[in-house]
Amino acid sequence: QQQVKQSPQSLIVQKGGIPIINCAYENTAFDYFPWYQQFPGKGPALLIAIRPDVSEKKEGRFTISFNKSAKQFSLHIMDSQPGDSATYFCAASMTGNTPLVFGKGTRLSVIA
Amino acid sequence: DSGVTQTPKHLITATGQRVTLRCSPRSGDLSVYWYQQSLDQGLQFLIQYYNGEERAKGNILERFSAQQFPDLHSELNLSSLELGDSALYFCASSAKQGFATEAFFGQGTRLTVV
Repeated sequence: QQQVKQSPQSLIVQKGGIPIINCAYENTAFDYFPWYQQFPGKGPALLIAIRPDVSEKKEGRFTISFNKSAKQFSLHIMDSQPGDSATYFCAASMTGNTPLVFGKGTRLSVIA
Repeated sequence: DSGVTQTPKHLITATGQRVTLRCSPRSGDLSVYWYQQSLDQGLQFLIQYYNGEERAKGNILERFSAQQFPDLHSELNLSSLELGDSALYFCASSAKQGFATEAFFGQGTRLTVV
């Protein structure tokens, strides 16, 4: 119930493509879904987050789509650039003091 | 730069030893979280402190302990180290107590147990 399943493990796209990373969760009490971006040698950094009262959120080239009934959410990166090459983690938590549960990560490579 | 400082960046030690990892949170942040990142387990939450008090505990081994000091810096103590403890250890901080809020991660301490 506490797991967040992330796919794919790795992804290679051409520059300008739209990589999509998917996550699925079981616990319907989760109400906070962030995505973190991690570059080699650095700590994860919050990219964008969504709560279940909306189905989509955009910040720049990054979009989260959220499907409450399917218990799934995904990250889309528009017009991807080589600088977007990083590992992306989805996570889930709930209001209160419940720790974030992270997906296993997706290593994205954007090639020119 | 997230504003969270972790020291040391790298640590190599032998099995059975004890080490201390240090974290200075962003200025004004009262919450400190510790995470372990390994290739096979991903990011695992260990423990959280808020304004000096332990608030949440995750998959933290009994050989591990942590504390947050009055100046809000935190230390993670790992003892009786085993090869399997080799991992990246991250500290994160946030202004609020809960997890459903933006947390800022440090650059991590890479621990290698030989």
